[in-house]
Amino acid sequence: AQKVTQAQTEISVVEKEDVTLDCVYETRDTTYYLFWYKQPPSGELVFLIRRNSFDEQNEISGRYSWNFQKSTSSFNFTITASQVVDSAVYFCALTSNNAGNMLTFGGGTRLMVKP
Amino acid sequence: DAGITQSPRHKVTETGTPVTLRCHQTENHRYMYWYRQDPGHGLRLIHYSYGVKDTDKGEVSDGYSVSRSKTEDFLLTLESATSSQTSVYFCAISGESATDTQYFGPGTRLTVL
Repeated sequence: AQKVTQAQTEISVVEKEDVTLDCVYETRDTTYYLFWYKQPPSGELVFLIRRNSFDEQNEISGRYSWNFQKSTSSFNFTITASQVVDSAVYFCALTSNNAGNMLTFGGGTRLMVKP
Repeated sequence: DAGITQSPRHKVTETGTPVTLRCHQTENHRYMYWYRQDPGHGLRLIHYSYGVKDTDKGEVSDGYSVSRSKTEDFLLTLESATSSQTSVYFCAISGESATDTQYFGPGTRLTVL
């Protein structure tokens, strides 16, 4: 069985602070795929990034960066110089070829960025 | 943005009535999914489809049925709605492989009184 744990249920920061959202996963498969989604207060789910298990390069996109470490089964997400518009619930998710076509989600981390 | 629409966007119904939610895509994607989102449970897969008339159960399929008669439409039916089915329902689509990125529709908020 696959599992994704987002231990931080809620984080509150002040604008311009850096913040890291943690994601720890469990899978028996050697080939798997990790994702991050954002759910702003309006409710839609927005895809942010996909990472394959065989590609451990870190990714940077503007103020967003992702740190994938297979050794610790973690796929952490950092927002640099946070802004109020970053306030949302962020979900980490996992799937693999042997996952029975299922995308397993973590419980989500609610990020509140205060002005 | 992926072309995914859901209808209705909001619905209030009474216990015991049948309810059908519709997901429509314009991307010609092979896979379509129905999830429900509840506080404390995150998103959980109800049913999915890997082609026209090809569907399978997910993690929380009891009380739900689905149908896919066209590539672009995936229907979720609650045969006899219960209060425990009050939730936000999301449709998602992905390409030729089940491990492709899933893109989500705007969601349907269903309240069963």
